Amino acid sequence: KNQVEQSPQSLIILEGKNCTLQCNYTVSPFSNLRWYKQDTGRGPVSLTIMTFSENTKSNGRYTATLDADTKQSSLHITASQLSDSASYICVVILNYGGSQGNLIFGKGTKLSVKP
Amino acid sequence: DAGITQSPRHKVTETGTPVTLRCHQTENHRYMYWYRQDPGHGLRLIHYSYGVKDTDKGEVSDGYSVSRSKTEDFLLTLESATSSQTSVYFCAISEESGTYEQYFGPGTRLTVT
Repeated sequence: KNQVEQSPQSLIILEGKNCTLQCNYTVSPFSNLRWYKQDTGRGPVSLTIMTFSENTKSNGRYTATLDADTKQSSLHITASQLSDSASYICVVILNYGGSQGNLIFGKGTKLSVKP
Repeated sequence: DAGITQSPRHKVTETGTPVTLRCHQTENHRYMYWYRQDPGHGLRLIHYSYGVKDTDKGEVSDGYSVSRSKTEDFLLTLESATSSQTSVYFCAISEESGTYEQYFGPGTRLTVT
């Protein structure tokens, strides 16, 4: 069964600290993996997109890594800010074309950054 | 929100009543999607459209119907709302090529009492 598991479910860190969110998937055939940020009351917004041949992708203070052999991805947030408080969702796309709705969503990690 | 609007943004309705949610885009993207988001679940696909009058079912389509008569509008209808359809509904659009990245609307919070 195609699944995306994220850990931890929730995380509280102090402002300025770094953190790493995990995503394990059992999705085949794999096309690409995305990380989304979802602020409370808003729709998800894409942070990074990686194909199976990419090991790392950065977007400012956000760095995503992908190990296609172990089927694991991580999202590292550097020097966290209060505005990083949000849910982070890992999404794996099946290799049938993302336009056909073949996305498998994780349940998300809820990050709270405290002053 | 990438030129996507949803209406209404909030709605409270009674069990058994019909409800229609609207998604409107200004990006001229071919693909449009309806998802629901519930606590303890990831986003789940209800229906999607790959063109005007071309739609298909997603993972949780029972109790929902959709229509797309224009490129810019995608309607989601609950024919007879039930309490299990209380949820936050998101519309998304995607391009026809490249990574097919999906852009999400702001969501509609629906409560069925």
